[in-house]
Amino acid sequence: AQSVSQHNHHVILSEAASLELGCNYSYGGTVNLFWYVQYPGQHLQLLLKYFSGDPLVKGIKGFEAEFIKSKFSFNLRKPSVQWSDTAEYFCAVRRSSASKIIFGSGTRLSIRP
Amino acid sequence: GAVVSQHPSRVICKSGTSVKIECRSLDFQATTMFWYRQFPKKSLMLMATSNEGSKATYEQGVEKDKFLINHASLTLSTLTVTSAHPEDSSFYICSAPPGGGETQYFGPGTRLLVL
Repeated sequence: AQSVSQHNHHVILSEAASLELGCNYSYGGTVNLFWYVQYPGQHLQLLLKYFSGDPLVKGIKGFEAEFIKSKFSFNLRKPSVQWSDTAEYFCAVRRSSASKIIFGSGTRLSIRP
Repeated sequence: GAVVSQHPSRVICKSGTSVKIECRSLDFQATTMFWYRQFPKKSLMLMATSNEGSKATYEQGVEKDKFLINHASLTLSTLTVTSAHPEDSSFYICSAPPGGGETQYFGPGTRLLVL
């Protein structure tokens, strides 16, 4: 069965530190990849997505992610985090032939001011 | 971006009663909508795919008689939790892709508490 793994359950960083959140998926075919963010008390918002083309994808708020097909990975990065980045981050995968999206378990990011 | 709303945002009910949750696409039509359940500090679990004009497709392990889904129009899907019990307490979230496209937009969620 298709699965999405986020190995970091809780990451704590200081402001201005660099961020990388890992995401691996198990499906071997063509996939669409997403990162969603859920700020405290708010609903899910799309940070960025990869469908095809340049494997380095830039999203909102300075986030980017790199699709490495050989590693089945789609890690999220930000060079310098801010306190306002405190949130839950979800990686998600969809097989291009299907419409449903499978979510990873999420990574809670806490930023120390 | 596209807007998806849910109503109510929060509901408390007694055990044994039924609760209906609405999911609306406000500025686009959606032939397909998705219902998720999110447990505290856990990820979103896809419950079912709601299809306009036809039966919903349920994920393995989700009781279709317990979680009734009706997609009555291109902008509205409803999830009814029948004979709710405390273990049904959760955060229910819907999503929809505008025009059946590849990007899904999520509603704000409905927090259900069954006493």
